Amino acid sequence: DAKTTQPPSMDCAEGRAANLPCNHSTISGNEYVYWYRQIHSQGPQYIIHGLKNNETNEMASLIITEDRKSSTLILPHATLRDTAVYYCIVRGTSGSARQLTFGSGTQLTVLP
Amino acid sequence: SQTIHQWPATLVQPVGSPLSLECTVEGTSNPNLYWYRQAAGRGLQLLFYSVGIGQISSEVPQNLSASRPQDRQFILSSKKLLLSDSGFYLCACKRDRKHEQFFGPGTRLTVL
Repeated sequence: DAKTTQPPSMDCAEGRAANLPCNHSTISGNEYVYWYRQIHSQGPQYIIHGLKNNETNEMASLIITEDRKSSTLILPHATLRDTAVYYCIVRGTSGSARQLTFGSGTQLTVLP
Repeated sequence: SQTIHQWPATLVQPVGSPLSLECTVEGTSNPNLYWYRQAAGRGLQLLFYSVGIGQISSEVPQNLSASRPQDRQFILSSKKLLLSDSGFYLCACKRDRKHEQFFGPGTRLTVL
């Protein structure tokens, strides 16, 4: 699986959009980009995933660059409950690539 | 939707004692199951995954083992715990051909 690079920490004001970047310059054509988050002392929670196109769901939006070498997770109106570690993961869909490889993630702190 | 149960929630064990952590899944059949460990202040490390009853793949050499005696039951064991086994143990499941992994609430293990 391709390696990802994320900033270790970010702050965001409550009510503002949180934009979390991720670099995955070695991504291959059949690999998806996944985002999970982990609130302190809880299990990770799936947020969103995408392959080429931008995606949006009730939690967030995922913007993937045209060359697919980077992506941005957008939380449109961050709340205090969005404070968590956010993991960007790149993974294929077959064989031993079924599992997720978690890196260090980005600690997002939403400030009141 | 699937629900993952893990117990116990917390556990304190002496070095050299045995371990058995149990994970059960509801709301899905024939899931892929995973055991992850998270050491304090670090990312998640995949320990084992299983694509079916009796089928276990190990990702890292260690003194832990896993078993899947039933379709929706996944057990993590050790004959003799080490101090380095302390951590937050998470069970996860994924339906085949689906993207999202769902995580359980975790077991926090402290080895003294």
